[in-house]
Amino acid sequence: ETGVTQTPRHLVMGMTNKKSLKCEQHLGHNAMYWYKQSAKKPLELMFVYSLEERVENNSVPSRFSPECPNSSHLFLHLHTLQPEDSALYLCASSQDLAANYGYTFGSGTRLTVV
Amino acid sequence: AQSVTQPDIHITVSEGASLELRCNYSYGATPYLFWYVQSPGQGLQLLLKYFSGDTLVQGIKGFEAEFKRSQSSFNLRKPSVHWSDAAEYFCAVGARNFGNEKLTFGTGTRLTIIP
Repeated sequence: ETGVTQTPRHLVMGMTNKKSLKCEQHLGHNAMYWYKQSAKKPLELMFVYSLEERVENNSVPSRFSPECPNSSHLFLHLHTLQPEDSALYLCASSQDLAANYGYTFGSGTRLTVV
Repeated sequence: AQSVTQPDIHITVSEGASLELRCNYSYGATPYLFWYVQSPGQGLQLLLKYFSGDTLVQGIKGFEAEFKRSQSSFNLRKPSVHWSDAAEYFCAVGARNFGNEKLTFGTGTRLTIIP
């Protein structure tokens, strides 16, 4: 596969569950990002990783826990979520942190918290 | 810090008609500029980008955008839309500072195509 792949595509979880979202990129990029996209809201940047090191955490609640074991993989671990966390979670990657390269996005995981 | 505004939340266009989506940015110098498209349930796909040089940029799917420094704008255009162009369109701006500079996205414009 090429590009950025996110799994699963859809996820329904209860508020007491623990689940993980996975993102994998085959582009040789060094930076990876998690975004949250809620209805009628702008894209919200959650986390930024560069060379497996977290470089930005935008005041995200601790019930979201990112992990970047290597430059090709990014996870978002979820636990004790709230219904307002239901959203489309998008992963993106870029050559590095410089803005000129733009981002390549995955297709997203549609998360529903019940 | 940079910012971007897409003044139109929703636009409806007849199939075959021309299209222009507006994007205005705020930044102290010439930024990097991007347009992305998102089909329902999908991620964002890059349509085109502006770095420097020719202010009229050609992209995929027949789209083009023009950078106008005097107006701080980067509007997206297409001469004749197709039903498959119905989607959400996002403008993004990136700063020209070396290092840790992320893209800032607009709130998006939803495009509806009517027969």
